[in-house]
Amino acid sequence: NAGVMQNPRHLVRRRGQEARLRCSPMKGHSHVYWYRQLPEEGLKFMVYLQKENIIDESGMPKERFSAEFPKEGPSILRIQQVVRGDSAAYFCASSPGTARSTEAFFGQGTRLTVV
Amino acid sequence: KQEVTQIPAALSVPEGENLVLNCSFTDSAIYNLQWFRQDPGKGLTSLLLIQSSQREQTSGRLNASLDKSSGRSTLYIAASQPGDSATYLCAVMTTDSWGKFQFGAGTQVVVTP
Repeated sequence: NAGVMQNPRHLVRRRGQEARLRCSPMKGHSHVYWYRQLPEEGLKFMVYLQKENIIDESGMPKERFSAEFPKEGPSILRIQQVVRGDSAAYFCASSPGTARSTEAFFGQGTRLTVV
Repeated sequence: KQEVTQIPAALSVPEGENLVLNCSFTDSAIYNLQWFRQDPGKGLTSLLLIQSSQREQTSGRLNASLDKSSGRSTLYIAASQPGDSATYLCAVMTTDSWGKFQFGAGTQVVVTP
């Protein structure tokens, strides 16, 4: 059973470009979470998704950021018109999401560098 | 608003000593608490998950306790090894934010040979 897969592992974008980060949850997991880790800071929650639904996006910046988890395919975190302050490690986690198990398993992260 | 604090921020011990890592949280209405390990430049590895109804969980040399009433969890690592060097993170899920973990800043551990 493969773990949570994120790609790319490293992404370099120029200011103003778009960044697309992908996350494939563990097999059998229907809940996906995105977290951001800024340099020298802790992990901050961004968004919680189930298939085709955004459950909680209270941690998402109001502009330029969006996330989706379609019926088929990976979850996508999209950052439009990136700025230097978007440089961070973005982690995806997944869980079964049942009341019996909310244990979260994390991917290796995507390290975004905006130049 | 839930706040999670980890003390100490950094810890250095000689190999063989036991490690004690502390995590405190302000809102005791939690659903669960999870301990993770993060190696430099890597992702997070889940170590132990404690449900709110549990007092402790054990896995090999690791033992985590939970005291909801005092808002504390402690991670014990017995007979530390250099391979235990990493940052250890505590994350709490509160009952009014199901699915969303609030992370502490972590404790950076160095085990010297």
